[in-house]
Amino acid sequence: DVKVTQSSRYLVKRTGEKVFLECVQDMDHENMFWYRQDPGLGLRLIYFSYDVKMKEKGDIPEGYSVSREKKERFSLILESASTNQTSMYLCASRGRDSGAKNIQYFGAGTRLSVL
Amino acid sequence: AQSVTQLGSHVSVSEGALVLLRCNYSSSVPPYLFWYVQYPNQGLQLLLKYTTGATLVKGINGFEAEFKKSETSFHLTKPSAHMSDAAEYFCAASGTYKYIFGTGTRLKVLA
Repeated sequence: DVKVTQSSRYLVKRTGEKVFLECVQDMDHENMFWYRQDPGLGLRLIYFSYDVKMKEKGDIPEGYSVSREKKERFSLILESASTNQTSMYLCASRGRDSGAKNIQYFGAGTRLSVL
Repeated sequence: AQSVTQLGSHVSVSEGALVLLRCNYSSSVPPYLFWYVQYPNQGLQLLLKYTTGATLVKGINGFEAEFKKSETSFHLTKPSAHMSDAAEYFCAASGTYKYIFGTGTRLKVLA
C-alpha cells in the first residue's frame, strides 16, 4: 500500500513564526502536492512538484514556499505564519507512468492553528 | 479550463435510504474522474475512478458512479445508506499533473 506520511497531525504556532510541514511518500512517486482545506472552499492547491528540485505554483501560493530536495520528501514552508493560515493542510503524491489516470494518494493531514 | 461542480454542500439521508451525490464537470474533452471520501480528521481516500471503458464504475463500500458524457455528470450513488457513510465526499477531474476538485458534499446519515 502507498503510504503518505505527514510529520504532525496537529500544530499550534504563533504569528510570525516560520513553520515547516513535512511530507514523505514511500512509492517513488514523481509528483507531490500540498493542498489547503477550508470549510466551504474544498481543497485548494498551494504548490506541486513534478520532480526533485522542481516546483510549480498552484492556485494560492502567496505566503508559502516549498522544498523538494529528495524524491520522497516534500516540505511546505510558511515563512511568517499569520492567523489566516490556520487551516487543514493535506499532502498528496501521484505517480507519472499512466499520466492523468493516476490516483492521488493523501496523507492524514496536519491541522495548523496560528495564534 | 476544467471545472468541477458539486451540487449541495450538505446532504442528509435516512439510514437505509438511497444516497445520491451530484457532480458535474466542465471540460472540452471528457476528463478522468474520481470520487474521494474523507472521514473526520483523516485524509482523502479513493472511492472509485472513471478512466475509460464501462461508464458505470463500482467502488468500495457499495458505492458506484455513472459517467454520462451527454450530461457532463458523474454522480455518486449507494442503494442503502449506512451510518458509517457519514463523511465528506469530493469529486475530482484529472489533468496531466493536477486534479481539479469540487468543493465537497458533507453526507449526514440519520438514524
